[in-house]
Amino acid sequence: AQTVTQSQPEMSVQEAETVTLSCTYDTSENNYYLFWYKQPPSRQMILVIRQEAYKQQNATENRFSVNFQKAAKSFSLKISDSQLGDTAMYFCAFTFRTGANNLFFGTGTRLTVIP
Amino acid sequence: EAGVAQSPRYKIIEKRQSVAFWCNPISGHATLYWYQQILGQGPKLLIQFQNNGVVDDSQLPKDRFSAERLKGVDSTLKIQPAKLEDSAVYLCASSPRDLGESEQYFGPGTRLTVT
Repeated sequence: AQTVTQSQPEMSVQEAETVTLSCTYDTSENNYYLFWYKQPPSRQMILVIRQEAYKQQNATENRFSVNFQKAAKSFSLKISDSQLGDTAMYFCAFTFRTGANNLFFGTGTRLTVIP
Repeated sequence: EAGVAQSPRYKIIEKRQSVAFWCNPISGHATLYWYQQILGQGPKLLIQFQNNGVVDDSQLPKDRFSAERLKGVDSTLKIQPAKLEDSAVYLCASSPRDLGESEQYFGPGTRLTVT
């Protein structure tokens, strides 16, 4: 069975500071993608960043970067220079690279950026 | 490019009533997903379509839930009769043609409250 674990239900960070959200996952497959999605109060899921499991280089997207440790099945998200607009639920998810590619989500981390 | 459209945004019904949700995916996207997101949890896949064929409906409670995708474009999800535990946000997502394509685009969701 595929599982995604986010052990931090809630986190907070001061504006302009850096915060790291944790995620671990479990799968026996070797080809997959990993994602971080952001869900603000408007409910719309927005893709923040994605990582192909076959790539060793960690993905970066402006202020967002990941630390992907494939052997440890760990996929953390670092947000630098936090902004008030980063306040949201953050979900870690993965999907298989081939075949049915539905997303398996974690339970989410609620991030609050404090002014 | 228009995003994934869903309606209604909110719906309140009494238990044992029926309800239907509508989704219009991004133009040209062959794959369509319905997810159920219960409060405090990550989204869970209910059903996945490739064009107008079902790829995965293993998590769909078929005694009360049904879904169809007409002509491989719009989709409707129906619940009949509704139970209290069906209260959730129902998210629709779409992705481009190939099953191996990883990125999914989400709609704003429909919040269902069953009283």
